[in-house]
Amino acid sequence: GAVVSQHPSWVICKSGTSVKIECRSLDFQATTMFWYRQFPKQSLMLMATSNEGSKATYEQGVEKDKFLINHASLTLSTLTVTSAHPEDSSFYICSARVGGIRRYEQYFGPGTRLTVT
Amino acid sequence: EDQVTQSPEALRLQEGESSSLNCSYTVSGLRGLFWYRQDPGKGPEFLFTLYSAGEEKEKERLKATLTKKESFLHITAPKPEDSATYLCARLTGGGADGLTFGKGTHLIIQP
Repeated sequence: GAVVSQHPSWVICKSGTSVKIECRSLDFQATTMFWYRQFPKQSLMLMATSNEGSKATYEQGVEKDKFLINHASLTLSTLTVTSAHPEDSSFYICSARVGGIRRYEQYFGPGTRLTVT
Repeated sequence: EDQVTQSPEALRLQEGESSSLNCSYTVSGLRGLFWYRQDPGKGPEFLFTLYSAGEEKEKERLKATLTKKESFLHITAPKPEDSATYLCARLTGGGADGLTFGKGTHLIIQP
């Protein structure tokens, strides 16, 4: 149980274009999903918290107009990188919280490797 | 600021050689301490959650423990397939549910 998928697994795009990444919880409903970014040889950094039916909460230093997050249903959240630039190239990973009393663990998707040329 | 510090950064062991990984954290308002395993190019795999000092959890060759200021991930008689980066994380402060990760321990088990 607690399986999270991401699509696509990798994407290459040209500078200035936009890219959408999907995150789905396959066998549970997730009221809260999270987006992280991981640069080479670094740890995961939280970008934003996404709650179903409401606006995402972004971490300090993350541009909300550049990284658009939509959590339209209990099983789907999307991250759109708008006007991508080479410095946005990174490994983007989503996670979902199962929820419940004292259940804060998150289950992660396999990640999406974004390369902006 | 909530911090998570892991040590060592890297550890190379012989197959069967037991050891421990350390995770120290800022004490204020800990609402959960998490351990994950990450293989190259993949998302983290959930291992354990610890909530209070004295708590212990086990899974196969791994055992996680928690004190008031640090957590340990003990690995007993490791096998080459245990090679991975092990990440420690805590819930961010202020009641938010996102995770703050340490930099991880890169573990290599040599056959």
